[in-house]
Amino acid sequence: DQQVKQNSPSLSVQEGRISILNCDYTNSMFDYFLWYKKYPAEGPTFLISISSIKDKNEDGRFTVFLNKSAKHLSLHIVPSQPGDSAVYFCAATTLGTSYGKLTFGQGTILTVHP
Amino acid sequence: DTGVSQNPRHKITKRGQNVTFRCDPISEHNRLYWYRQTLGQGPEFLTYFQNEAQLEKSRLLSDRFSAERPKGSFSTLEIQRTEQGDSAMYLCASRSTMGGPGYTFGSGTRLTVV
Repeated sequence: DQQVKQNSPSLSVQEGRISILNCDYTNSMFDYFLWYKKYPAEGPTFLISISSIKDKNEDGRFTVFLNKSAKHLSLHIVPSQPGDSAVYFCAATTLGTSYGKLTFGQGTILTVHP
Repeated sequence: DTGVSQNPRHKITKRGQNVTFRCDPISEHNRLYWYRQTLGQGPEFLTYFQNEAQLEKSRLLSDRFSAERPKGSFSTLEIQRTEQGDSAMYLCASRSTMGGPGYTFGSGTRLTVV
């Protein structure tokens, strides 16, 4: 079963606008969430994370929002830049168990047009 | 910090052959993970090492797969009697116990079974 889902396979945004990438999860044991960015022929790169005790975490142009009741999180990129074009993966884990195993979504391809 | 190194970057093999991949984690990282990524999917957990001990294995890791991490340093992932369904990107990641839950991934080994 797909415990972490990214229902939008792709997203196209104009440079300077906001990009919003969404992620849903089903496992209520997940208590830590991460976003990774992946360029072709490279491994995923950690971007930003959030603990379930928070509902928002911000790092520069990147903000992650967590809605625990809806089991939903989103990544906002403002302003979007062409260099942000990549595949974005949402991942979840349960701290203190599972040895830090991450469960990933299917990914969303973000294209930022100049 | 030289990052996580994986070799080879690409491997093409005939069905039925054995292949071995190597991962050199960041030197101070005691936790090492193997993931597999197929087209259009996010990375899927295969196995986890803490130092030299293999502490968790996914059901995805059939009897044809074996992983080792001698002396808690580099790790190898061997696939015996390869099948076309084994074609995927094999990703290695590492992290420190004292660090955050985010991993550092290598660039991966792309396996093509023909």
